[in-house]
Amino acid sequence: GESVGLHLPTLSVQEGDNSIINCAYSNSASDYFIWYKQESGKGPQFIIDIRSNMDKRQGQRVTVLLNKTVKHLSLQIAATQPGDSAVYFCAEKGKSNYQLIWGAGTKLIIKP
Amino acid sequence: NAGVTQTPKFRVLKTGQSMTLLCAQDMNHEYMYWYRQDPGMGLRLIHYSVGEGTTAKGEVPDGYNVSRLKKQNFLLGLESAAPSQTSVYFCASSYGDSRAFFGQGTRLTVV
Repeated sequence: GESVGLHLPTLSVQEGDNSIINCAYSNSASDYFIWYKQESGKGPQFIIDIRSNMDKRQGQRVTVLLNKTVKHLSLQIAATQPGDSAVYFCAEKGKSNYQLIWGAGTKLIIKP
Repeated sequence: NAGVTQTPKFRVLKTGQSMTLLCAQDMNHEYMYWYRQDPGMGLRLIHYSVGEGTTAKGEVPDGYNVSRLKKQNFLLGLESAAPSQTSVYFCASSYGDSRAFFGQGTRLTVV
């Protein structure tokens, strides 16, 4: 079946350094991937997305890389700030246009 | 622009009681979703709707019912609450691609 997993449940990063959050997916037919940020007590917030016809997409301080050969997705956050502390979820589009398959999340901790 | 609003934010139910969670969006989105999130896990889709008057089952629909009588509202009902339904419930809406906007969540405890 479809599944999305994350390599590390918790990631600690020094403030100002770059963060890299990794995600593996199992369905090679998935054509859409998305990253969400969830702060404590809040709903998920969209960060960035990428379609399977792309390898890389950049946003403000964030970059998503997609490696379809090894079915791997990563989120890079430049110059990590205290406000980046959250749980980050990757998700892939399932068989329909409506159902996202979510990973368990990676908690990003910023060290001062 | 309020986005996606969920009510209530917190609720405690006794086993066997019923309740309805309300979701309202003011972005004129066609698609709406109800998810549940359990501790340390990602979101799982309960039901979704692709338009007014239509609903469909998601990944974990058992024990829940939904209705989409108006485009801006999506109701989630629990007819007979069970402890296994203790969770945080999130409503979301979208234009049809998977970039969904989420509400703040409803924390439900069934005792």
